[in-house]
Amino acid sequence: GPKVLQIPSHQIIDMGQMVTLNCDPVSNHLYFYWYKQILGQQMEFLVNFYNGKVMEKSKLFKDQFSVERPDGSYFTLKIQPTALEDSAVYFCASSLLDEQYFGPGTRLTVL
Amino acid sequence: GDQVEQSPSALSLHEGTGSALRCNFTTTMRAVQWFQQNSRGSLINLFYLASGTKENGRLKSTFNSKESYSTLHIRDAQLEDSGTYFCAAEAGNEKITFGAGTKLTIKP
Repeated sequence: GPKVLQIPSHQIIDMGQMVTLNCDPVSNHLYFYWYKQILGQQMEFLVNFYNGKVMEKSKLFKDQFSVERPDGSYFTLKIQPTALEDSAVYFCASSLLDEQYFGPGTRLTVL
Repeated sequence: GDQVEQSPSALSLHEGTGSALRCNFTTTMRAVQWFQQNSRGSLINLFYLASGTKENGRLKSTFNSKESYSTLHIRDAQLEDSGTYFCAAEAGNEKITFGAGTKLTIKP
């Protein structure tokens, strides 16, 4: 099936630093999403993005978070500055219409 | 409150047997997806349903929008079916809400 790629697979960073998580969505997809999964817990919606704009974001999408997809390249999630509670696996997803396809996740560890 | 209630939270099956997972929705959902999260943490798309029933191999899923539930049936369970299964439902705003997951363990 359609593949969503995420780079890097793991990222370890010191608290307070900036991190950018990269997502390479399915090529013809139009909608893009980020989800957060803290170890052992359920997946939580962060944000969705369409036509260059954030459509909806959850309470977990703090002011320190931002997303963009410059010139149709990677769909990125930037966290600046990072906090300890940002440690989690972040999943990117994309969809053409309704069905979302997920990447393998980026495990972010904030020390 | 939670919009997606998934049960059971954990399930243990012997190889060759079967069971069903269920998600109840507290609001009207437009569609549901089922995923298997494997031991590496990756999400595998199993089904996407806007209504009715779909079958794929030993898996079958039903989504009843009017009665606000969806089920995932597994038959003839195999060891590789072990993992955590999530349902995720879409209310119509392109945002999906995940259930808490069912940790499935298949025993020889």
